[in-house]
Amino acid sequence: AQTVTQSQPEMSVQEAETVTLSCTYDTSESDYYLFWYKQPPSRQMILVIRQEAYKQQNATENRFSVNFQKAAKSFSLKISDSQLGDAAMYFCVYSNYKLTFGKGTLLTVNP
Amino acid sequence: DTEVTQTPKHLVMGMTNKKSLKCEQHMGHRAMYWYKQKAKKPPELMFVYSYEKLSINESVPSRFSPECPNSSLLNLHLHALQPEDSALYLCASSQGTAQFYGYTFGSGTRLTVV
Repeated sequence: AQTVTQSQPEMSVQEAETVTLSCTYDTSESDYYLFWYKQPPSRQMILVIRQEAYKQQNATENRFSVNFQKAAKSFSLKISDSQLGDAAMYFCVYSNYKLTFGKGTLLTVNP
Repeated sequence: DTEVTQTPKHLVMGMTNKKSLKCEQHMGHRAMYWYKQKAKKPPELMFVYSYEKLSINESVPSRFSPECPNSSLLNLHLHALQPEDSALYLCASSQGTAQFYGYTFGSGTRLTVV
């Protein structure tokens, strides 16, 4: 069975600074997808960024980028120029026909 | 329309009540899901309705009953719930089972059982 581990239950960052959220996963599959989802206090789960396992190039979406290390089974999320609106619970998610969620990292952004 | 709409946003019900949660999407997605989420925990999958076939997480008690009237609607019928069923119930949809595009989630129904 696939597992996803987020080792940082909580993190904080100063506004305009950069923060990196860690994620590791375990799978025997070679073809899969990885996602970072954000869940602010408004409750809605929002897709931040996706990565296809067979693509070596790291995905980027504006201020969000990932460091995908397939051999190490690592998938970290970097948030640059952090904004107050980035404060949320962030879930690392493994996908291969079903979603497996990590336990989440609660990110606080300090003004 | 790129949204998943859930109603109601909040629901308080007694243990003897019968209520329903509603989920609707108009993105042409062929798979829809119900998740249960406790505070500060990841969502847990309850049901999948994909290409007109229902899949059930066997750990979900029978007091939860899904219904899919059409490909755009997914309801969750609630009956004789327990206080431990109080949680955020999230609905999601996806373009298919390949999961390439990820899921689109609704904003959830906050359920309190008293």
